[in-house]
Amino acid sequence: GIQVEQSPPDLILQEGANSTLRCNFSDSVNNLQWFHQNPWGQLINLFYIPSGTKQNGRLSATTVATERYSLLYISSSQTTDSGVYFCAVERNYGGSQGNLIFGKGTKLSVKP
Amino acid sequence: ETGVTQTPRHLVMGMTNKKSLKCEQHLGHNAMYWYKQSAKKPLELMFVYSLEERVENNSVPSRFSPECPNSSHLFLHLHTLQPEDSALYLCASSQGGHAGWFTEAFFGQGTRLTVV
Repeated sequence: GIQVEQSPPDLILQEGANSTLRCNFSDSVNNLQWFHQNPWGQLINLFYIPSGTKQNGRLSATTVATERYSLLYISSSQTTDSGVYFCAVERNYGGSQGNLIFGKGTKLSVKP
Repeated sequence: ETGVTQTPRHLVMGMTNKKSLKCEQHLGHNAMYWYKQSAKKPLELMFVYSLEERVENNSVPSRFSPECPNSSHLFLHLHTLQPEDSALYLCASSQGGHAGWFTEAFFGQGTRLTVV
């Protein structure tokens, strides 16, 4: 099946710093999403981005589908950005439907 | 407000108990999912329901029994669980499209289950 690798696994930032999180995937995908999991466990949608570039405030994401990677940019980080960031992809093939495959996540800690 | 609500938020149960997790979505989606997140493991898909029919059962033990009475509600019935089943259980919904493609998935807050 498709493999999803995220890097770095852990990241510590000083408040105000910028960062880039990477997601590599091993096959072409129909769907790619970035999530932020807060300390209470909830997965918050950040971007639905199977290709192209999107921006939402201090966050932006770029997916280069032909090269099988996606990047999540966080600018001017805040302590509330702390948590785990997940990339998840879906590839429809055969009888597999609606199966989002998650990476292991990047754990971000933003220090005041 | 994510549009997907899970209850209860926390659950402690003994190995001989029977309990149910509930999920409700208010997004008008036609597909719902159960995911499991164990410590130090990636999120794993358990079940997919599309148009109220189960389309994916990811080799989940029979002590987990899903039920989808309509496109807005999803249950996970639990019985004779093991301590290793302790995990965060997440419900999600999305819209199924053409050729089996599914659009953006939205998740509930999760139920943190502890089996003692």
